[in-house]
Amino acid sequence: GAVVSQHPSRVICKSGTSVKIECRSLDFQATTMFWYRQFPKQSLMLMATSNEGSKATYEQGVEKDKFLINHASLTLSTLTVTSAHPEDSSFYICSAVQGPTNEKLFFGSGTQLSVL
Amino acid sequence: SQKIEQNSEALNIQEGKTATLTCNYTNYSPAYLQWYRQDPGRGPVFLLLIRENEKEKRKERLKVTFDTTLKQSLFHITASQPADSATYLCALPNTNAGKSTFGDGTTLTVKP
Repeated sequence: GAVVSQHPSRVICKSGTSVKIECRSLDFQATTMFWYRQFPKQSLMLMATSNEGSKATYEQGVEKDKFLINHASLTLSTLTVTSAHPEDSSFYICSAVQGPTNEKLFFGSGTQLSVL
Repeated sequence: SQKIEQNSEALNIQEGKTATLTCNYTNYSPAYLQWYRQDPGRGPVFLLLIRENEKEKRKERLKVTFDTTLKQSLFHITASQPADSATYLCALPNTNAGKSTFGDGTTLTVKP
């Protein structure tokens, strides 16, 4: 199956700093990737849809200036949490669709962000 | 608005028994439904996809049913093993390709 690599798996940062998370499709090209955040014992909350070569589409209530998404190539999307604060601490996961019908989602392993 | 409900937050069963998880949805007419497995601290892993015209689908010890009249999917794991312990999520597609809505998940614990 398709492999999506997400890096880093864990990051601890000071309040006010920015953190970049990378999501790569290793063996396929992904024109569309998705970014989610997940709180403990809760489901995935879609934050934005990342489209290669165009601006990301953000879900309602997600600040686009806070969560910068760049999808500069067919295999890489990045999420930058700018000026991170403790309330941004969460588990962030990316996914990519593969195949002509775009039905199956392949997920990265997630990034646990802790903001002190 | 669209809503997905997984029957229970947690399910504990004995090794060797069959685990049955439920996914109910409202205000949806999905063309398919998916089940994912998520281990703690990891991203979900795709398990099975069942289409609206399929009543049942199997993969090894997994079986999924899809009743579009009841708006319900059942996910069965037969001969369960402790290694099956995880959170299982059902997901339904939104109108945009690849964009899915996930249920809150059911955490299954299989005791030896």
